[in-house]
Amino acid sequence: SQTIHQWPATLVQPVGSPLSLECTVEGTSNPNLYWYRQAAGRGLQLLFYSVGIGQISSEVPQNLSASRPQDRQFILSSKKLLLSDSGFYLCAWCPRWSGVSGNTIYFGEGSWLTVV
Amino acid sequence: GQQVMQIPQYQHVQEGEDFTTYCNSSTTLSNIQWYKQRPGGHPVFLIQLVKSGEVKKQKRLTFQFGEAKKNSSLHITATQTTDVGTYFCAVSPSGTYKYIFGTGTRLKVLA
Repeated sequence: SQTIHQWPATLVQPVGSPLSLECTVEGTSNPNLYWYRQAAGRGLQLLFYSVGIGQISSEVPQNLSASRPQDRQFILSSKKLLLSDSGFYLCAWCPRWSGVSGNTIYFGEGSWLTVV
Repeated sequence: GQQVMQIPQYQHVQEGEDFTTYCNSSTTLSNIQWYKQRPGGHPVFLIQLVKSGEVKKQKRLTFQFGEAKKNSSLHITATQTTDVGTYFCAVSPSGTYKYIFGTGTRLKVLA
């Protein structure tokens, strides 16, 4: 069966410090990968998605970046965090095939980031 | 770009009362999905609707896709405290691999 791991689960970072969140998927190959952010009590904002190694699509201009160095690894990074970067970050995956019927999105447990 | 609005944003109900959340898209959809996020947790897939006018049921939950495939609803009959959480609809714009989530409806059930 497929599993998705995301870490760290929580972190508190000072303003201006770097960030690295990692996500790996097991039990499948060629997944589509996603990073979402959820501010406290708010909706899910799509940040980045990837359909293959080295292929990153950015949805929202900001000081975050994403990379996919391996097929089942997705990394979210920042060189200098802002207070507004605080939130709940969720990694997700879905099978690669497309079509009218769509695919189920599977989420990781999430990472709570507090920028102080 | 694709916009998906959900109403209401919040809903407080007494246990046993019914609950409905609505999802509206600015464009015609090929399919729509519904997810539930428990407090402190991550979203979990509930169901997917594909056909115009489609109605699907999961125990006390009834999902409906509009005839024009631009809106959808989730109805919970006789809510229970286990129904607490935020309900999201999600859509995938045609020709893309991305999934856009609605603004969500947060449900609180008072015992």
